[in-house]
Parts: sequence; C-alpha cells; structure tokens
Amino acid sequence: GESVGLHLPTLSVQEGDNSIINCAYSNSASDYFIWYKQESGKGPQFIIDIRSNMDKRQGQRVTVLLNKTVKHLSLQIAATQPGDSAVYFCAENIKDSNYQLIWGAGTKLIIKP
Amino acid sequence: DGGITQSPKYLFRKEGQNVTLSCEQNLNHDAMYWYRQDPGQGLRLIYYSQIVNDFQKGDIAEGYSVSREKKESFPLTVTSAQKNPTAFYLCASSISWANNEQFFGPGTRLTVL
Repeated sequence: GESVGLHLPTLSVQEGDNSIINCAYSNSASDYFIWYKQESGKGPQFIIDIRSNMDKRQGQRVTVLLNKTVKHLSLQIAATQPGDSAVYFCAENIKDSNYQLIWGAGTKLIIKP
Repeated sequence: DGGITQSPKYLFRKEGQNVTLSCEQNLNHDAMYWYRQDPGQGLRLIYYSQIVNDFQKGDIAEGYSVSREKKESFPLTVTSAQKNPTAFYLCASSISWANNEQFFGPGTRLTVL
C-alpha cells in the first residue's frame, strides 16, 4: 500500500505569499522523492526531486526540504502566483525496490487574489 | 516537438464494451506506464513496461490489458471485466525504468454510459 501521505488536502494561500506543501512518508528505505504539479485536466509535470543524501534542493521559486529523522518532505513555493494553482503530488522510490514510484494523494493549492 | 500524446482526450463507452486508449511517445524512452486517477485522488499504477516487448502488472491491473510491440507505443485496453472504468487515464514514460523522472501525456477521460 501507499506509504506516502499528505497533511492537508487543500491549501489556500494569498497571492504573493509563500506556500508550503507537506508530505509524510513511512518507509525509512525511501531514497528518492519527486514533486509533481498537476493542473486541472492535464497530466502531472515534474517540478523538482531530491535524493535521501540531501536535506535541501532549490529550483526556480521552489525549494524541497527533506527531514529524514521525522520522515517528512516539504515543497516551498516562493511568491505564489495564480499560475501555481494546481494539485501537487509527492512521490517516493524505495531503495532496492523495483524502482516503482509510490504516489501520495495530492494537495490542492488555491491562490487567493 | 518531442513528447507524449494520448488520444482521444474524451472517450465514451457503453457498458460491456472493450475500449483501447492510445499512448505514443517520441522521446526514445524505454519505460512506459499507465496510471488511473479518480476524482480528488492520486495516481494508481495499472501496468508498466520497462522495455519493448515486456510489460508488468501494477497495483490495479485487473480488467486491463496492454501491449508493447513498439518502443514508442503502449496502448491500454479497458475490458468489460473492469467493474468501474470511468476515470482519468494517464500515460507516462521515462528514459529507463531506473530513472524516476516520468513525463506524462495529457490524459484520456473515459466515461462509461
């Protein structure tokens, strides 16, 4: 079954503020994590990934933080824009497994004007 | 223009009929995947193919079938044995099975009437 979950199914953020989307995982053998963005009616798009030997990785306006001690992953979006409205999924891969990604249920990010 | 295409975007089927969803990629990727997504839910893996002429069942393969006769094509057949086929179907590919960065198509929304 799934070992990746989310704290909040929906997150509302004021435009211009920073967004933080959280993800919990239960398998300590997970060694690779990905965040995807899915806009309504479209397929998911890769945002950023991180390996378990890292604590933080930054992209353009996005930062992923990994806390292996508490098995927690977060995606931070700086200066949230209307185009950031979407469902965000985290997914994990378990070391020495068959490389299958295990997907979380998703968090819907709503941007308030 | 490289990418993954799925057709059709919307598909209607009568109960008891088989239907085939198309997925084509020109990214020269070895691995391809089919996922099912229900409203407000995450992605569930139906079938995957690590390489041409090979495919494996995912978590919810019952009532579905696939083929991988060509590297660029991975059609999914939803059979009459699938009890609840109405869903959004997503096809994805990755450079290899060991590379988790998956590229998604736009999806096909199947409705059973």
